[in-house]
Amino acid sequence: GAGVSQTPSNKVTEKGKYVELRCDPISGHTALYWYRQSLGQGPEFLIYFQGTGAADDSGLPNDRFFAVRPEGSVSTLKIQRTERGDSAVYLCASSFSPGESEQYFGPGTRLTVT
Amino acid sequence: GNSVTQMEGPVTLSEEAFLTINCTYTATGYPSLFWYVQYPGEGLQLLLKATKADDKGSNKGFEATYRKETTSFHLEKGSVQVSDSAVYFCALSGSGNTPLVFGKGTRLSVIA
Repeated sequence: GAGVSQTPSNKVTEKGKYVELRCDPISGHTALYWYRQSLGQGPEFLIYFQGTGAADDSGLPNDRFFAVRPEGSVSTLKIQRTERGDSAVYLCASSFSPGESEQYFGPGTRLTVT
Repeated sequence: GNSVTQMEGPVTLSEEAFLTINCTYTATGYPSLFWYVQYPGEGLQLLLKATKADDKGSNKGFEATYRKETTSFHLEKGSVQVSDSAVYFCALSGSGNTPLVFGKGTRLSVIA
């Protein structure tokens, strides 16, 4: 079956611009997570959705970052006024339910801010 | 807060060598423990997991045992293959519905 998909796979943007990153979870998965992976590091948690609502957004680094999941399926991570330090691979994962320990990861979006 | 520390790489082994990648954790309560693998050009995949103390997770010849007394979850494989070359991440999920906390990853290269 289809796994988690993310678009675009690569995004290059100029400092100060706005970007949107999309995640399509596995069908039927109610929990959706966003992580950020910097070069040479492990993924770091950003935000977690259960259904349409953000259950935990404690990992968002500042108010330039925002994410939505309006219909409880596709999610969009939005970054305003991008900075060079935002350059990283943004990973999305989904799981069948919040109590399900296995998360399935997408291939990631590599964001480069020039 | 919760954290994971794993041995730094890169690790280079010859084919059929024994592999150990150390992982220790700090957590409150009773976390679940995981090893994820990232093959070149691919996304993160779950390799194995253990959800309670003394559980052993195993998959594809890899094993790891949840040791609460030493707060460890070391990854082992008796005989590595070239196809095992990848980056390995140790991770934990705390009690309840908390997101994953990852270590920094260990790059393994296996040479023929």
